[in-house]
Amino acid sequence: AQTVTQSQPEMSVQEAETVTLSCTYDTSENNYYLFWYKQPPSRQMILVIRQEAYKQQNATENRFSVNFQKAAKSFSLKISDSQLGDTAMYFCAFMKYGTGTASKLTFGTGTRLQVTL
Amino acid sequence: GAVVSQHPSWVICKSGTSVKIECRSLDFQATTMFWYRQFPKQSLMLMATSNEGSKATYEQGVEKDKFLINHASLTLSTLTVTSAHPEDSSFYICSARSSTSTDTQYFGPGTRLTVL
Repeated sequence: AQTVTQSQPEMSVQEAETVTLSCTYDTSENNYYLFWYKQPPSRQMILVIRQEAYKQQNATENRFSVNFQKAAKSFSLKISDSQLGDTAMYFCAFMKYGTGTASKLTFGTGTRLQVTL
Repeated sequence: GAVVSQHPSWVICKSGTSVKIECRSLDFQATTMFWYRQFPKQSLMLMATSNEGSKATYEQGVEKDKFLINHASLTLSTLTVTSAHPEDSSFYICSARSSTSTDTQYFGPGTRLTVL
């Protein structure tokens, strides 16, 4: 079974600054996906960024980038130029390759990020 | 693209009644849909995986007779909470996996269920 650990329950960052959220995972799989989802106060889950394990290059999406260390089973999220709208709960998630039930997501416990003025 | 809707967004019901929640993929076909439950300030807990045209697969500890899941078409899955009790009060979220883009799940906005 896979496990995902987010060791930072809460974090705070000032507007325009950079913040990094940590995520580690445990798996015996070699092929898998990793995701960061954002859940703002509306509670709508929003995909922030995804990474395929076979790709060595770290994924980036505008102000969001990841540091994927496969050997260390680490998948941190960096948010640059933080904005007030980034205030949300952030979940790290793991999914192994497959279909049906094999494609289910395993979520971490989340990190609550507060962006302040 | 990749929009998933849920209906209703919130519902209040009396103890002992049944409640049906719908999850629709609006602009794509979804062979697989997932149902999650989320308690306040907690993570999402997967309840079951539903595949179009077949029986749902429930996670350990989830009562299949209490949480009935039907995935009758490629765009619709329903979750029925039968004989609801106050402890079933929670936030229920569905997600859908596209038939063509199988590596990402798209989430609905969630349904808040309150059982009195």
